[in-house]
This record gives sequence, structure tokens and C-alpha cells, in this order.
Amino acid sequence: DAGVIQSPRHEVTEMGQEVTLRCKPISGHDYLFWYRQTMMRGLELLIYFNNNVPIDDSGMPEDRFSAKMPNASFSTLKIQPSEPRDSAVYFCASSLSGNTIYFGEGSWLTVV
Amino acid sequence: DQQVKQNSPSLSVQEGRISILNCDYTNSMFDYFLWYKKYPAEGPTFLISISSIKDKNEDGRFTVFLNKSAKHLSLHIVPSQPGDSAVYFCAAAETSGSRLTFGEGTQLTVNP
Repeated sequence: DAGVIQSPRHEVTEMGQEVTLRCKPISGHDYLFWYRQTMMRGLELLIYFNNNVPIDDSGMPEDRFSAKMPNASFSTLKIQPSEPRDSAVYFCASSLSGNTIYFGEGSWLTVV
Repeated sequence: DQQVKQNSPSLSVQEGRISILNCDYTNSMFDYFLWYKKYPAEGPTFLISISSIKDKNEDGRFTVFLNKSAKHLSLHIVPSQPGDSAVYFCAAAETSGSRLTFGEGTQLTVNP
């Protein structure tokens, strides 16, 4: 079974550049989540979608962050412009109408 | 406001002994609880869960105990194995949605 697939796995970019992280959830799952992990704040929920509709984006830190889910099999998290403090591991996760969430392997972002 | 807390950042046990990881929560609306395990450079993987109608759930070497009155849950691993060395996250959810709130994580090290 294919799990949650994220790309890129690693990204190093310069401050001010646009960063786009991509996610393919598990087929058939109706919830999609974007989490961020940092040393200071642990795992924090940024935004989640249900049936492609954003339900709660209260965790999105600033207007520089945006997320879309144009269809059931694809989502993006965009940071524009990126800043060094955005450096973190970004996880995409999905679930099927329930509370067991399955995570991707993460996108490791470094902004220099 | 940290609604899910894991007060021990690290735990070290001997192979074959019991590992006990603890988690406390403050939100009385939480009624579904999960444990995730995370290896370095990988996404969190689901380990075991429990709903509030139970006080114990067992799966092989892993048992989760829930004490609702104390708002406390724990994960027992018996016997512990070196391959169990990882960061363990406690997570909680309300019935009304699929949003998970995570604790800070506990680094478990099982020494051979």
C-alpha cells in the first residue's frame, strides 16, 4: 500500500524565495493535514482539509503561508516569501473519517 | 496552552525491562487517544490507540492505559527491545473532528 507521499524530501532555499511542498494522501482518505515539527514547538497542526475543503487554518503562522487542495489526491503548502525561521520538517498526513492519522516521511526545509 | 503534555523528554531502560511513557491532558473534551512512534528522518507512525470508553487496550508488547478522572494515559512496552528506541508522541482528539493535538514527545532509549 502506498502511504502518504511528500515531495521534496529535502529543500534548501534562500530567504525570500518561494517554497512549495507537495503531498499525495493515501487513496480514499478524506482528511488531509499539514503539520510542522520544530525543536521549540514540537508537532503543530498548521491546517487541515476535509473532502478538499479547508476546515481549520488557525495554525498557519502568517499570511506568508498558504495551502491548497485542488483535488482529493493532491495538496500543496506554499511559503512566500520564506524566512530562516520557517526552517523545520513539514509533515503531510491523511485519515479516513476517523482519528488514526497516517503521516508522510516529511519535507525537511532549510531557509538560509 | 499545552493541552497534551509529556513531562519526560527522555527515558532510558534496559532491554527486556518495562518501558512506561506518560502523558497528561487538560481538555476534558478529548475522548480518543493515540500513541505514535517516530524514528529519525521518518514521519510519525501510528502505534496504538484507545477511546474513552475503555481504560486499557493491548496490542502485543504494547498496552495503553487511560485514567479519565486523572486525565492521564500511559504506554507500557513489555519487554522493551533496542528497536523500540525512538521518540514517542502522545496525541488526543475530540469526537467532533479529526484534529489531533500532540504532546512534545519522549525519547525512549532501550539499552542492550
